[in-house]
Amino acid sequence: DAKTTQPPSMDCAEGRAANLPCNHSTISGNEYVYWYRQIHSQGPQYIIHGLKNNETNEMASLIITEDRKSSTLILPHATLRDTAVYYCIVRGLNTGNQFYFGTGTSLTVIP
Amino acid sequence: DTGVSQDPRHKITKRGQNVTFRCDPISEHNRLYWYRQTLGQGPEFLTYFQNEAQLEKSRLLSDRFSAERPKGSFSTLEIQRTEQGDSAMYLCASSFGGGNEKLFFGSGTQLSVL
Repeated sequence: DAKTTQPPSMDCAEGRAANLPCNHSTISGNEYVYWYRQIHSQGPQYIIHGLKNNETNEMASLIITEDRKSSTLILPHATLRDTAVYYCIVRGLNTGNQFYFGTGTSLTVIP
Repeated sequence: DTGVSQDPRHKITKRGQNVTFRCDPISEHNRLYWYRQTLGQGPEFLTYFQNEAQLEKSRLLSDRFSAERPKGSFSTLEIQRTEQGDSAMYLCASSFGGGNEKLFFGSGTQLSVL
């Protein structure tokens, strides 16, 4: 079962940074935080994941708080193609190493 | 294209009929997953394979559902005696497994049961 809480929807102006929050207050020490996104009519797409440290790749940055109870996905310069549902997932031994998706955050990038 | 492919993309069937979906994973991936997604919900885990072995099945997977991965490559998901509640997007994903596992998803098969 999903162990994360995300706002159901957010808007972001094109060209601005999109900051998507996720609460995972019951996360265990061996559990990773993953982010996926799903554009309409497509399968989910991997974005980034991390354990303790902040992570950055060509798509986004992941900021994990020191207590690991929450994280933020940052899309530095949102484009219209970033409009999608974003899922924050906690995965580890306590989840049977399975990926359990919640209902995510529907991000709309506004021109 | 070396991504995960699923066939068909859309399937319309009448209640009570059997349907079968196929998934071709990324060739070097040893894990293969099936998920189901209904409108407005995130994907729900159904089952997964490590090579040809089916290692876990969700309690969501009723007896009418069966999945196979006979040679550890492609997989099929069959639904017998379909019901209207089976209408959903069926997603397949594959991965290398491991602690830093990343799932790569196909575009799914949209099933409509009339």
